[in-house]
Amino acid sequence: EDQVTQSPEALRLQEGESSSLNCSYTVSGLRGLFWYRQDPGKGPEFLFTLYSAGEEKEKERLKATLTKKESFLHITAPKPEDSATYLCAVRETGANNLFFGTGTRLTVIP
Amino acid sequence: DVKVTQSSRYLVKRTGEKVFLECVQDMDHENMFWYRQDPGLGLRLIYFSYDVKMKEKGDIPEGYSVSREKKERFSLILESASTNQTSMYLCASRRGGLQETQYFGPGTRLLVL
Repeated sequence: EDQVTQSPEALRLQEGESSSLNCSYTVSGLRGLFWYRQDPGKGPEFLFTLYSAGEEKEKERLKATLTKKESFLHITAPKPEDSATYLCAVRETGANNLFFGTGTRLTVIP
Repeated sequence: DVKVTQSSRYLVKRTGEKVFLECVQDMDHENMFWYRQDPGLGLRLIYFSYDVKMKEKGDIPEGYSVSREKKERFSLILESASTNQTSMYLCASRRGGLQETQYFGPGTRLLVL
C-alpha cells in the first residue's frame, strides 16, 4: 500500500491566489517528513524537514506544517517562479531510505 | 553548501550496452543513494550505500549493480541496458545520523534505444 500520498496531482493558481498542497502518510513511526521542490529536468531541491506533530517551518512564501497523519505546504500569494513540482517524502523509524509521493505539479499563472 | 554532482546530464545508449553513471559528493556523507524517476511512479530506490564497499538493495535493483570504492563516489551500473531502463536517474547523499537531510544531484536523463 502507498505510504505517501500527495494531492492534488496538479494545481493551477493565479498569481497571488494562496492555496495548500497535501501530503498524507502512513508509517509506523515517523523519523522525519521532507518537502522538496523539483523543476523540470532537474534534481529535487530541499525545502523543509519536519520531525514532530505541531511543527511548522517557513521560507519566503512557503510554510510547511505537520500533524500525525499529514503535512501541508501552504503557498501564500504565489508568483510564477513558484511553478514547479513539489515532492513530499517520509523517513520511517529504523529505515535508511525515504519514501516519496508522486508530487503535486503547481502552475502559477501571471 | 552540499554539492552532489553526476557525470552526465543526458546519455543515449543502445540496447545491450554496459552503462556507467557516476555520482560524487563533496561533504563527506556516509550514505549515498540511486533513484530512478518515472512519470506517475515517483522516485524509486534502486540501491543505497551506507559506507565504502557496503551496499543494500532498494525497491527495484533488478538489472542494476553499484560500486562504492571511495566514500565520495557512488556508481550505478546497467550491465546490459534495456529500453525499459530509459528514465531519469537521481543520485542523493546524506550524512549518517537520525535526522539528516538527503541532498540530490541534478539527474541524468538516460535514453536506451
